[in-house]
Amino acid sequence: DTGVSQDPRHKITKRGQNVTFRCDPISEHNRLYWYRQTLGQGPEFLTYFQNEAQLEKSRLLSDRFSAERPKGSFSTLEIQRTEQGDSAMYLCASSLEKGMFETQYFGPGTRLLVL
Amino acid sequence: GQQVMQIPQYQHVQEGEDFTTYCNSSTTLSNIQWYKQRPGGHPVFLIQLVKSGEVKKQKRLTFQFGEAKKNSSLHITATQTTDVGTYFCADQAGTALIFGKGTTLSVSS
Repeated sequence: DTGVSQDPRHKITKRGQNVTFRCDPISEHNRLYWYRQTLGQGPEFLTYFQNEAQLEKSRLLSDRFSAERPKGSFSTLEIQRTEQGDSAMYLCASSLEKGMFETQYFGPGTRLLVL
Repeated sequence: GQQVMQIPQYQHVQEGEDFTTYCNSSTTLSNIQWYKQRPGGHPVFLIQLVKSGEVKKQKRLTFQFGEAKKNSSLHITATQTTDVGTYFCADQAGTALIFGKGTTLSVSS
């Protein structure tokens, strides 16, 4: 399978714990995005990388959230001191930059439940 | 901030009936992308519309982009049970996608 992969697919944690998610994009894609989706809503943009550089962060990305893409390939999203409001599906997408418009391909997501 | 509105939120049809979802914005859309998300799944890209008045077809699906680039629609002819899911429109605002809340389609046979 050469699509976007994410790990783990599901995570249950207790409030206050730290969690880390991983995303492996499509191999030749230089852009990587993180989105969050809650029930009944569309995905909401969190942050994106071009190669290893984090170029944009949403206001939704509080100080407890940090994302990295150290070698321009896979990325990690860490949430520190989780809160119940962090419960959501965390989606990763990747794309190949080519001019103004590009297609983002989504991974299967990591579903987080904070108890 | 920019918002993309979708209506209806839910739609139930009998198999064989047509279905349409509408996407609207108060500001000019740069380009519209449509995604489908099956229950328990992730968004899957369907199509991208860039030009004013553009119409594209994929088998039973017809996508339109308004002349003023402030609205778009997805029409499915003769729905099938495999069409079940949530259909999202998204505007590409810079690099990020701004999604609507989606229209959830259910189909009974």
